[in-house]
Amino acid sequence: QKEVEQDPGPLSVPEGAIVSLNCTYSNSAFQYFMWYRQYSRKGPELLMYTYSSGNKEDGRFTAQVDKSSKYISLFIRDSQPSDSATYLCAMRPGGSEKLVFGKGTKLTVNP
Amino acid sequence: DARVTQTPRHKVTEMGQEVTMRCQPILGHNTVFWYRQTMMQGLELLAYFRNRAPLDDSGMPKDRFSAEMPDATLATLKIQPSEPRDSAVYFCASGLAPGQGAIAGELFFGEGSRLTVL
Repeated sequence: QKEVEQDPGPLSVPEGAIVSLNCTYSNSAFQYFMWYRQYSRKGPELLMYTYSSGNKEDGRFTAQVDKSSKYISLFIRDSQPSDSATYLCAMRPGGSEKLVFGKGTKLTVNP
Repeated sequence: DARVTQTPRHKVTEMGQEVTMRCQPILGHNTVFWYRQTMMQGLELLAYFRNRAPLDDSGMPKDRFSAEMPDATLATLKIQPSEPRDSAVYFCASGLAPGQGAIAGELFFGEGSRLTVL
């Protein structure tokens, strides 16, 4: 079992839909949780991060961490075609710089 | 506009040839990472440096891969000899060590070097 599991999709939704992306993990030492967005033929870029458990909201994006279930989520409200990308979850233990990534979920938002 | 620069963007080579990929991290960043991305495995950490010193290269096949930072503005990843299974996109990323004022764990990625070994 990999440390971080993420359904690769692909996921296709109509414009305006609410999108839910998820990852599970096995390492209870993970404390920092991130979501990166990767457009085609580009490098990943940080979208959101959360420390420990809880929710964080930024515009149309909400990140949730449930450490008791070892489960993290990213919600996208009012999805737009420009949100079409691959979304990678990433996490690391406190005191470590090594980020472990999920394989990524490819999202397409259709106009 | 500060960004990580990688060269070459694309490389096609034949099995057994040496391949060198280069990375210029963002000025002022003191950690540099090399990742490899494939459909099957996703993003895998190969090696990383802090203040130019190698901290971890456990993800790298030691017999054919080597990573160095000759100076603060250049990181290199070398494959010798290359094999078809090395075909992937290789990403360099830089950042600041935790506790140095950066968003925890934020890495800035280059656009990658797409390697095809025939």
